[in-house]
Amino acid sequence: EAGVVQSPRYKIIEKKQPVAFWCNPISGHNTLYWYLQNLGQGPELLIRYENEEAVDDSQLPKDRFSAERLKGVDSTLKIQPAELGDSAVYLCASSSGLVGETQYFGPGTRLLVL
Amino acid sequence: GDSVTQMEGPVTLSEEAFLTINCTYTATGYPSLFWYVQYPGEGLQLLLKATKADDKGSNKGFEATYRKETTSFHLEKGSVQVSDSAVYFCALSDPNAGNNRKLIWGLGTSLAVNP
Repeated sequence: EAGVVQSPRYKIIEKKQPVAFWCNPISGHNTLYWYLQNLGQGPELLIRYENEEAVDDSQLPKDRFSAERLKGVDSTLKIQPAELGDSAVYLCASSSGLVGETQYFGPGTRLLVL
Repeated sequence: GDSVTQMEGPVTLSEEAFLTINCTYTATGYPSLFWYVQYPGEGLQLLLKATKADDKGSNKGFEATYRKETTSFHLEKGSVQVSDSAVYFCALSDPNAGNNRKLIWGLGTSLAVNP
């Protein structure tokens, strides 16, 4: 069974440019998460989807960040415009949505904003 | 609110040494508990989990027992290898959190094993 797929793996952009990350969750997983991970720290939840509905986006900086999961499968996270402080690893995870479920993580996208 | 506290690193051990990484939690109900591992340059991988009191999760020689009386989920391994060098994260999922259900993470403990 394929795991969570993310692309690109690495991205270098200049500040004020837009950037987008793509995630394909494990087949059949209804719940999808986007996390931000700074160096030496744990993941911070940005947004959680149940199917195509964003049920927790309280930590998403909505002035520059947006996300979508139009058909309840793949998801895209966008930053526009990017700032220097956005340099981090962006992780996508998925789960079955059951209580106590395990979250399975993709390899992440490492973003560097210059 | 719910929280996870794990011992600070970095932890440096010699190969074949015994490993303990402490993790304690606070939660309103009966959370599920997890240990995730992150190898250098890679994403997070589930190492083991436990969903109820006295459950023992185990994988790759690592073990952790869900202790409700001490609200702990300490990670142990009897003999570490160089390949165990990674960052280890303790996390909980509180089923009583309703729509706010999400993983609560510890800050991570970096482990370096020397040959």
